[in-house]
Amino acid sequence: DSGVTQTPKHLITATGQRVTLRCSPRSGDLSVYWYQQSLDQGLQFLIQYYNGEERAKGNILERFSAQQFPDLHSELNLSSLELGDSALYFCASSVGGALPQGYTFGSGTRLTVV
Amino acid sequence: AQSVTQLDSHVSVSEGTPVLLRCNYSSSYSPSLFWYVQHPNKGLQLLLKYTSAATLVKGINGFEAEFKKSETSFHLTKPSAHMSDAAEYFCVVTPRARAGSYQLTFGKGTKLSVIP
Repeated sequence: DSGVTQTPKHLITATGQRVTLRCSPRSGDLSVYWYQQSLDQGLQFLIQYYNGEERAKGNILERFSAQQFPDLHSELNLSSLELGDSALYFCASSVGGALPQGYTFGSGTRLTVV
Repeated sequence: AQSVTQLDSHVSVSEGTPVLLRCNYSSSYSPSLFWYVQHPNKGLQLLLKYTSAATLVKGINGFEAEFKKSETSFHLTKPSAHMSDAAEYFCVVTPRARAGSYQLTFGKGTKLSVIP
């Protein structure tokens, strides 16, 4: 157990629907990062939150959004889902600070859009 | 800008023989470099990291990597492969000393197969 908890582990939904993925960071970590892993694109950074505020954006679609709550858990919202959104979505957390010590990843949520 | 190239998409070794997974990087900043491992249907686990201390970095499970600035390489090695090493390995780069925002740039991954 890495200390980063992602729910649900698996999600199957239809095109056009909306889903919410949840991430609880490791205790003490202030930063949460979302990554998407797909067969054709590999692992791509989506977005980062640090202590409740958006800190950096990567290749995140406009149909996707995220937030980090006061208790530091984060949610990634995916709407108007398309078949191509099927992927493994990882959350990672880090303390944040002057030097990157590496992230701790959760075990991911596998999203299948049918 | 930063990028990572993993030179082999698939490496196959026999159990007990050495492992070499190759990684070259490009970074505008002094980089931090990592190797992560992903076992089937599992999350990503940090194997080792280079953050400007010793250029030879030792990680978990007997893996190590050497940072070579002149060659812009960070190859991962292990003296003797074990069946449990079969997994996908990702080389990762991130710029150092950008406080508060560490976007990892992942390589495409190298799938390691270990033959009994």
